Amino acid sequence: AQSVTQPDIHITVSEGASLELRCNYSYGATPYLFWYVQSPGQGLQLLLKYFSGDTLVQGIKGFEAEFKRSQSSFNLRKPSVHWSDAAEYFCAVGASYNTDKLIFGTGTRLQVFP
Amino acid sequence: KAGVTQTPRYLIKTRGQQVTLSCSPISGHRSVSWYQQTPGQGLQFLFEYFSETQRNKGNFPGRFSGRQFSNSRSEMNVSTLELGDSALYLCASSLVGTGASYEQYFGPGTRLTVT
Repeated sequence: AQSVTQPDIHITVSEGASLELRCNYSYGATPYLFWYVQSPGQGLQLLLKYFSGDTLVQGIKGFEAEFKRSQSSFNLRKPSVHWSDAAEYFCAVGASYNTDKLIFGTGTRLQVFP
Repeated sequence: KAGVTQTPRYLIKTRGQQVTLSCSPISGHRSVSWYQQTPGQGLQFLFEYFSETQRNKGNFPGRFSGRQFSNSRSEMNVSTLELGDSALYLCASSLVGTGASYEQYFGPGTRLTVT
């Protein structure tokens, strides 16, 4: 069965510092991978997605993620964090091609210090 | 273009009651999915509807049900509420529900509190 692991529950960084959020997945075939962000009291917003092709994916708000099949990872990165990036970040894998069903990780809460 | 709307935004119910939550997808979107978000279990898939048909169902008891109307609007119903049903219920819509090709847009959620 598909699953997603986000090993870091809470991460704290200083504004301007670089960021890497970890995500590992378990999936039998080529996975469809997503990163979502959730601000307090809000729904989820898609940051980026990987379906195939270039393993380095660019997203919104200056985020990028790299798909590494050998490590079953899809880590999210940002070179310089802004205070407005403080939120909860979720990695997800699509259950299969012909469904919208997503399997989410447990999330990583990002705190940004000025 | 208006986003996904969910009503009501907040709801307080008593154990044993039943509740209906509503989701209006983005205009033109035909696929609607529902998720339950709790601090303990995280985000869990409830159901997915496409063209008024339930295409997938998560591992939830039969007290949880849903439907989709011809205009793609969707409702979910929870009967005989339990304290553990307290959660944020999120709805998402996409154009054709193929997951791989089209972005899902999430609504702000309905915060259900069961007392």
